[in-house]
Amino acid sequence: DAGVIQSPRHEVTEMGQEVTLRCKPISGHNSLFWYRQTMMRGLELLIYFNNNVPIDDSGMPEDRFSAKMPNASFSTLKIQPSEPRDSAVYFCASSPRQGMGGELFFGEGSRLTVL
Amino acid sequence: ILNVEQSPQSLHVQEGDSTNFTCSFPSSNFYALHWYRWETAKSPEALFVMTLNGDEKKKGRISATLNTKEGYSYLYIKGSQPEDSATYLCAFTTGGGNKLTFGTGTQLKVEL
Repeated sequence: DAGVIQSPRHEVTEMGQEVTLRCKPISGHNSLFWYRQTMMRGLELLIYFNNNVPIDDSGMPEDRFSAKMPNASFSTLKIQPSEPRDSAVYFCASSPRQGMGGELFFGEGSRLTVL
Repeated sequence: ILNVEQSPQSLHVQEGDSTNFTCSFPSSNFYALHWYRWETAKSPEALFVMTLNGDEKKKGRISATLNTKEGYSYLYIKGSQPEDSATYLCAFTTGGGNKLTFGTGTQLKVEL
């Protein structure tokens, strides 16, 4: 079975450029989560969706970050404009249960480097 | 802000040793406690999801216990093997909030 698929796996960009990270959750899962991993703060929840609807985006650092889930099989996390401090690994995860009762299935992450 | 604390931060053991780590979390309004195993260059994988006070779960040589009244969970590894080397993360959520907050993990290195 296909797991959570993220793209790109690696992205190197220059400050000020727009970055779009993509995620395809596991089919049938109705919750999707975006996390950011840094050395300083570990895994931080940025936003999560239930049934394609954003439920909690309080972890999104600022207006430069936005996330969408236009359908059950696709989500994007966009950073515009990007800054060096956005450099991190961004993980997408999905869960078969709404909210946090069920285990999360993580993608392999997108490593972003902003120069 | 809900703080999840894990200890120790890192641990080196010899093959065959048994070991355990601690996850501490706020005990009020508890909903679920998750344990994940995260190998280098891979993504985190769920080990256990625990919801009931006194819960004990086991998967092979790895087991976990949960005390929701005092706000802690222990993860045990019996007879550590080199393939157990990984970072072990716990994560906590409260009822209604639905926000899974991760600890910073315990990094385990099992040496031959």
